[in-house]
Order: sequence, then C-alpha cells, then structure tokens
Amino acid sequence: GDSVTQMEGPVTLSEEAFLTINCTYTATGYPSLFWYVQYPGEGLQLLLKATKADDKGSNKGFEATYRKETTSFHLEKGSVQVSDSAVYFCALSGKGTGGGADGLTFGKGTHLIIQP
Amino acid sequence: DAGVIQSPRHEVTEMGQEVTLRCKPISGHNSLFWYRQTMMRGLELLIYFNNNVPIDDSGMPEDRFSAKMPNASFSTLKIQPSEPRDSAVYFCASSPGGAGARETQYFGPGTRLLVL
Repeated sequence: GDSVTQMEGPVTLSEEAFLTINCTYTATGYPSLFWYVQYPGEGLQLLLKATKADDKGSNKGFEATYRKETTSFHLEKGSVQVSDSAVYFCALSGKGTGGGADGLTFGKGTHLIIQP
Repeated sequence: DAGVIQSPRHEVTEMGQEVTLRCKPISGHNSLFWYRQTMMRGLELLIYFNNNVPIDDSGMPEDRFSAKMPNASFSTLKIQPSEPRDSAVYFCASSPGGAGARETQYFGPGTRLLVL
C-alpha cells in the first residue's frame, strides 16, 4: 500500500538557519503530495501542495518540489524563524484520478524546534 | 466562515463506556474524513465519506468503532465499548469534494480522548 517516510526529529536549528526536511513516498499511480503543519494543541493546517510531477508548492517561505524520479517531496526554507517551531507532516493522496476525494496517508511527523 | 467544528474538545471516560465524537464540516464541503493520532502510530485514516456515503472504512480498527453521516452537516464517530488503547486525538477533516485526490483537506481542532 501507499506509504510516506520522513526524517524523524526533533530537528533543532538556530534562527535564520536553512531548513530541509526529507520526505519520500511509495504509491501506485500519480498521487498528490502535501505538507501539513501542526502547532501545539491545534489541528493540521495545509502548508503547501503539489499535484503533479515537477510542480513546486510554496507558501510562507517554504518550498517543496514533486520529484517523481526520486519519489521525494523535500521541504525547504531558506531562513527559519522561532515561529516556525511546530510538527511538520508529509502526506499523499493516492488515487489522483480526479474522481472523488481520497484519504491522506501521513508520515510520522518531524518536530522542528527553532532556537533564538 | 467557520472551520471544521468538533466536540467535545476533551473527553475522559472509563473503560467500557460509550464515547461519541461529533463533527460539523465546513458548509458546502462534500467529503468528510476521520483520523486518529497517537504517538505510536502517528496519524491514521479511519473512515471517509463522499456525499454522506461511507467510501472506505478499512482503517476502522475493529467493530467497536462506528461512524455515521446522517446529513451533509454532521457526522459522529462512536466507540462502544471504549478501551484504554483507544486513547488518542481524533481529528475530523472536510474537503470540497470536486477535485479528488488533489484537494486540500481542512482539519478541525481535534478531540483528545482519554480512556481510563
């Protein structure tokens, strides 16, 4: 079945450092790929997404590119802030056929801690 | 516009009791999802509905769990009887339902369940 693997944390960085969180996936067909962020005590919020190969999703300085050849969707940010501290989840939605919604398969999550 | 609404936000109960979790999706959304989050297993899809019809309940752990969606604006997840291993955060999410796997899902704040 479908699966998502992401680096496990916690990942601790200093403010203004460069961030990479690796994510790879296994899926049949052409999944859509997502990064969600969860702040303490809250639900998940969409950070960015990409729905086909070579698409780049971006939001709030974060970027990720859908790489079909390496089945990856790594999250990057050039300069992190303390407010970026949260748990980040990589996810895929499997069927990609456009016909009906589909449940998400999540990675285990990466806890990011940014120190001032 | 209100987001996904879940109630209760916190629930503490004793083993063997019935637990009912409630969800109101975003108005106009046609797809609704129930997820469970635990430290050990991460985020797991339990069941989802399209247009009030259950599409995939393969993630429901066992017969003690049941979910209903009697109309477009309300869904319940019931556990009867509850067990300590059911302790988790349960999230409801909804999506518009028109773009299949490419769609963003919008998450509620979750219900934190503790079964003693």
